[in-house]
Formats: sequence, structure tokens, C-alpha cells
Amino acid sequence: GAGVSQSPRYKVTKRGQDVALRCDPISGHVSLYWYRQALGQGPEFLTYFNYEAQQDKSGLPNDRFSAERPEGSISTLTIQRTEQRDSAMYRCASSLGTASSGNTIYFGEGSWLTVV
Amino acid sequence: GIQVEQSPPDLILQEGANSTLRCNFSDSVNNLQWFHQNPWGQLINLFYIPSGTKQNGRLSATTVATERYSLLYISSSQTTDSGVYFCAAKTYSGAGSYQLTFGKGTKLSVIP
Repeated sequence: GAGVSQSPRYKVTKRGQDVALRCDPISGHVSLYWYRQALGQGPEFLTYFNYEAQQDKSGLPNDRFSAERPEGSISTLTIQRTEQRDSAMYRCASSLGTASSGNTIYFGEGSWLTVV
Repeated sequence: GIQVEQSPPDLILQEGANSTLRCNFSDSVNNLQWFHQNPWGQLINLFYIPSGTKQNGRLSATTVATERYSLLYISSSQTTDSGVYFCAAKTYSGAGSYQLTFGKGTKLSVIP
């Protein structure tokens, strides 16, 4: 696609429910990133994929968070047993080359998650 | 990990004024990007600038990597420039990948 596409744009869920957030990166982009942004803060790194391989998940806050990119394109970030503190904007980003390359990273419009 | 500090945290400008936003980073970086988060939450790339100077219309950016800072210049500001400006430094994460570390941003309000 023309840009990084994320869905849903807005999600309200009850505490304890699982949620899945989808990211469709720019076509042909090798690298895919997930970031989380709380209100009034900058985005914080969650995880990184090189094609289908999850090479860095050091930013995932706990084991309720997981991500996959099974065919090296679309990615899903899943949060199990959601808690109110998970409320934030979740941003996906992609870049043409691998993480070590000097390519610009492009962000999607984000998915706003509210846990009530 | 790397620390990224932005100043000022808040800035109010009269339309037509010029401004300079600063980003300091605590370590060597692989890449430095500036973003504009508009009032609708979109995060828009402004510059990819690991070193040197680039210009795009009324905006320009300079990164002095050896001194670990970058500057974003906005000239003849317009109300549409309002929003939050983030700089982000790309560094090796030690876990086999590179990460962007963002500053806390500069919130710019341009008033007519």
C-alpha cells in the first residue's frame, strides 16, 4: 500500500479481554516495528521484525504482549488479559531495509486502545 | 540506553515568527529523524538527518553528530505547523536490532 495501514483505528475493550491490533506495512518493506505511545509522551519501542523473524522483543512490557508477522508482511500485536494501564496509542512502522540500514522509518496512524 | 532530550518542551509563536527546536542525544547514533505529530495524531516524517543540513520549504534541520545534537528550524511559522515535534535517535539495541528512541517532544502552538 501507499502507507503503513493500521486497524482498528480505535478500540475500546473491557479489562480482561484480549485485543489484536493489525499492521499492514508499506509494500516491500523488510523491517516492521511496533511502538507504544502514552498521552503526552513520545513513542516507545516494543518489538522489531526482519521479514517474518522477530529479532528484538526487548520492549514488550510483559508476557501478555506478543506479536507475529508470519509471512513477512502483515503483523499482529496481541495483548492478552488487558489492563487499564495498557491504554495507549499503538503505532506500527516500517522501513525498506533491515534495521541496520540507513532507511527512513515510516509510521502508521496508530491504533488507539482504551481499556475500561 | 541512549537519552534523547528536547527543548523547549513548549513553545508559543505568533504566526510568521521563526523558531529553533533542539535535540540533544547522549551517545553516537546510526540515524536521526525529526517527526511532526499533528493535532490528529498523525506522525509525519520531516527529516532523516544523521549528519549535515537539509532543507524542505520553510523547514530545515542540522545535525552535528560529533557534538551530539540536532536542530530543527521553522521559518515564517503558520498555524498548520502546530503540534508536537519529536526527534528520534536510532541506535543499536544490543538485541540484534536497531531501535528509535524518541525524545519527549516540543509542543508548538502557532497563534494567528
